[in-house]
Amino acid sequence: NAGVTQTPKFQVLKTGQSMTLQCAQDMNHNSMYWYRQDPGMGLRLIYYSASEGTTDKGEVPNGYNVSRLNKREFSLRLESAAPSQTSVYFCASSRGRGVEEAFFGQGTRLTVV
Amino acid sequence: GENVEQHPSTLSVQEGDSAVIKCTYSDSASNYFPWYKQELGKRPQLIIDIRSNVGEKKDQRIAVTLNKTAKHFSLHITETQPEDSAVYFCAASTLSGGYNKLIFGAGTRLAVHP
Repeated sequence: NAGVTQTPKFQVLKTGQSMTLQCAQDMNHNSMYWYRQDPGMGLRLIYYSASEGTTDKGEVPNGYNVSRLNKREFSLRLESAAPSQTSVYFCASSRGRGVEEAFFGQGTRLTVV
Repeated sequence: GENVEQHPSTLSVQEGDSAVIKCTYSDSASNYFPWYKQELGKRPQLIIDIRSNVGEKKDQRIAVTLNKTAKHFSLHITETQPEDSAVYFCAASTLSGGYNKLIFGAGTRLAVHP
C-alpha cells in the first residue's frame, strides 16, 4: 500500500517552461489536494478536487491548472513557470465525505531559474 | 474565506518542559481541527485531531483543546523529548457541499534541547 505518490521528487525549470506534477493515491479516496509550502508561509492550498470530475480553486490558484484524470490521479500543471513558483509541492488525499485526515505525498521540490 | 493564524512561529524548550502552540480560525462553521508534524525533509503527518463537539482530546504526551466560542485551539506537548523537534501545523476544516477543505496555519518550528 503506497498511499500517495508524487512524481517527480525534484525538478529544475527555466522561466517560461511548462511541466506537470503527477499525483496518484491507492486508498480509494474521493478528495485530493495540491498545496505549496514556502518558508514561513505554511501549506497553502492551490486547488482541490472533492470528487472525480470536479475541481475548485484554493487560496493561491494563479499560474496553475489541474486535472482530476480519474479517482486515483490528480495532476498539477504549470503552463509558464515563474521564479515565484519555486516551492515544495505536496499532493494530499482524504476520504472526502465528512471531515477527515488528509494523507500527504512525499513532496516535489521545484526550482524555477 | 477561512484563515488560520498560528503562534508562535518558533519555540525553543528544554527537554522535559512543556510546549504550547496556539491557533485561531476565522470561519465559525469550521468543525475539524487536525495537527500535523513535519520532520525535516519529510511529509506532514497527522499527530492528533479534534472535532467541534469535543473540548479536549489527549493521546499520551500530546493534547489538544478547543474553544469554539473564542475560535481558538491549542496543542500541548508535555515532557518534551529531542525527537519532538519538528515543524507543527494546525489546520481548520469546513464541510461544505459534501467535501472538506483543509486550511493550514503558517507553522511552528519547535526545538527541544537536551
